[in-house]
Parts: sequence; C-alpha cells; structure tokens
Amino acid sequence: DTGVSQDPRHKITKRGQNVTFRCDPISEHNRLYWYRQTLGQGPEFLTYFQNEAQLEKSRLLSDRFSAERPKGSFSTLEIQRTEQGDSAMYLCASSPAFVANYGYTFGSGTRLTVV
Amino acid sequence: GNSVTQMEGPVTLSEEAFLTINCTYTATGYPSLFWYVQYPGEGLQLLLKATKADDKGSNKGFEATYRKETTSFHLEKGSVQVSDSAVYFCALSASPRNEKLTFGTGTRLTIIP
Repeated sequence: DTGVSQDPRHKITKRGQNVTFRCDPISEHNRLYWYRQTLGQGPEFLTYFQNEAQLEKSRLLSDRFSAERPKGSFSTLEIQRTEQGDSAMYLCASSPAFVANYGYTFGSGTRLTVV
Repeated sequence: GNSVTQMEGPVTLSEEAFLTINCTYTATGYPSLFWYVQYPGEGLQLLLKATKADDKGSNKGFEATYRKETTSFHLEKGSVQVSDSAVYFCALSASPRNEKLTFGTGTRLTIIP
C-alpha cells in the first residue's frame, strides 16, 4: 500500500472559481478525514466519513464546501466560489474504525492558493 | 470544548542538546494523547501516543508521559540531532474510537550542528 494519496499537490485558482481535491486513503481503512491547515496553525477538523457515510461536519465547513465519499473508497472535497480566506493546506487522513487509538495516517496535502 | 496548548516556537537548539516541548490540554473525560511530526515538505506522521494516565509513549528516542494531574503531555528527547528539525504537533482524541483529533498550533524545532 502506498499510503494516503492526495491530488493535486498544489492548486492556484482565481477568486470565485470552483476547485475539487481528491483523496485516496489506505485501502483497508474505512474512516477518512479532511482537515485544513493555515500557516502557523495546527490542522483544523473539517469532516469525516465512515465508509460512505459522512458522520460529522465542522462549523468551519460552510455551504460552499462539500465532501463526498460515494463508494466508501476515495473522497472528494469541493470548494465553490473560492475566496482568498480559503487559501490553506487541505489534509486528508485515514484510519481503521475499530482499532482503538490508532491515530491517523495523513497524506501530504493539497496546497490551495486563491488569487 | 477540547483544546491543546503548545509551547510557543520556534525553538532552536544545538545538536546533542536536551529537548522539551510543552503541551497541556483541556478535555472532558479521558482523552488519548498524541504527538505528530511534520518534516519539511512531508505530511504529518504519528510520532508517539499514550491512551491513559501515567502511560509513556516513546519512539525514535522521543518520550512523553500522560500526566492527568497536570493535564500535560510534554515531549522530551535526551540528545537531539539535525534530522529532528521539524514541526511538532500535540493532539488529543476525546475517545478511542478514532474520531476527530484536536491539534495544538505546532512548535517549529531547528537543530544546528
């Protein structure tokens, strides 16, 4: 297994455009998480899935953000009508649901710059 | 709500110096505690963890002890190397069920030869 993969690594977009990021978790992990990290801060929770079910969403996830995991494998995070404040590193992580205190395996992230 | 407070950085040390990075937490119940490390250009990696009071997590010469009485989980290493230069994040999980993690703001560590 190659770990958690995120695509693209970098994305530069103009304000108002829509962007979509993809995350491929470790295949046997049924939990998938999205976090956002801004410069000088720790990762902030956005949402997580168990299989295809979205179990929790943060208040940080405004109406412009949507995440899906349609078949319980890869996930996408879409941001509509991007704003400069959306510029951040978007991190994906995965874990098995039933191995207590596993922690996460993180991907390398997608860095979004909104100009 | 749950929160993690980390020592302000950046921290610069000479090679072979002793390292302590402070971490304190606020949580209800009995959280699990983690240290993650982020090397330049890489994703976060789990460094060590502790799941109950007085547990000691250890890995790669780093140690941290879960102190419930002081709500702390300080990271220590007896002799740091240049390769330890990275950003270190303390985190907690309110349950063992691998739900969301709450992270501190991170501490950037630079080791000079």
